[in-house]
Amino acid sequence: QSALTQPASVSGSPGQSITISCTGTSSDVGSYNLVSWYQQHPGKAPKLMIYEVTKRPSGISTRFSGSKSGNTASLTISGLQAEDEADYYCCSYGGSSTYVLFGGGTKLTVL
Amino acid sequence: QLQLQESGPGLVKPSETLSLTCSVSGASISSSSYYWGWIRQSPGKGLEWIASIYYSGITYYNPSLKSRVTISVDSPKSQFSLKLSSVTAADTAVYYCARHSSMTTVVFDPWGQGTLVTVSS
Repeated sequence: QSALTQPASVSGSPGQSITISCTGTSSDVGSYNLVSWYQQHPGKAPKLMIYEVTKRPSGISTRFSGSKSGNTASLTISGLQAEDEADYYCCSYGGSSTYVLFGGGTKLTVL
Repeated sequence: QLQLQESGPGLVKPSETLSLTCSVSGASISSSSYYWGWIRQSPGKGLEWIASIYYSGITYYNPSLKSRVTISVDSPKSQFSLKLSSVTAADTAVYYCARHSSMTTVVFDPWGQGTLVTVSS
């Protein structure tokens, strides 16, 4: 059982928007604006998509955005494209004894 | 361009020690701005942070693995290493090394390509 809870799967049609949630607790997601999101295609290493809840690294499409409310962070992908089909993982700082927590991952299917 | 590459045995026997090395190229592992970490992914499962180290040797461990894990850094060789003792089948996973900016921002970037370690007799 992962420390952060994500839906196992989400799906959407090309051009649509989807949102993936990541639920933690008041000790991790709720306490810090330190949530990142990673995209992983089959057989590949994860790739950083969002950090510090809302920031995009250089080169990441503006179609990817992040937000947070209370103990839940969210990743929204707008204008879905076929290449967005992948697994997505959230990650949060867990405090000075736990440090790093990952979600269980969400499989995005582009219909 | 910073690149990380994991290396080590692909097969480890139960109860033995898993040893992996991450070679860093394109930047100094001694940079005071970064930490270096190990993350694993069991087959068909999610990601699990294992441990991280600062270039000075300060270490950080996942509490659930701390009793079996040692992370170390060899700056002259531009490498950092992972040792996981008393392995079982549950330790079978793809092991990734990655750089991160601090122990709080959880920004792992870039990652190595990963190496599959199977625990089996």
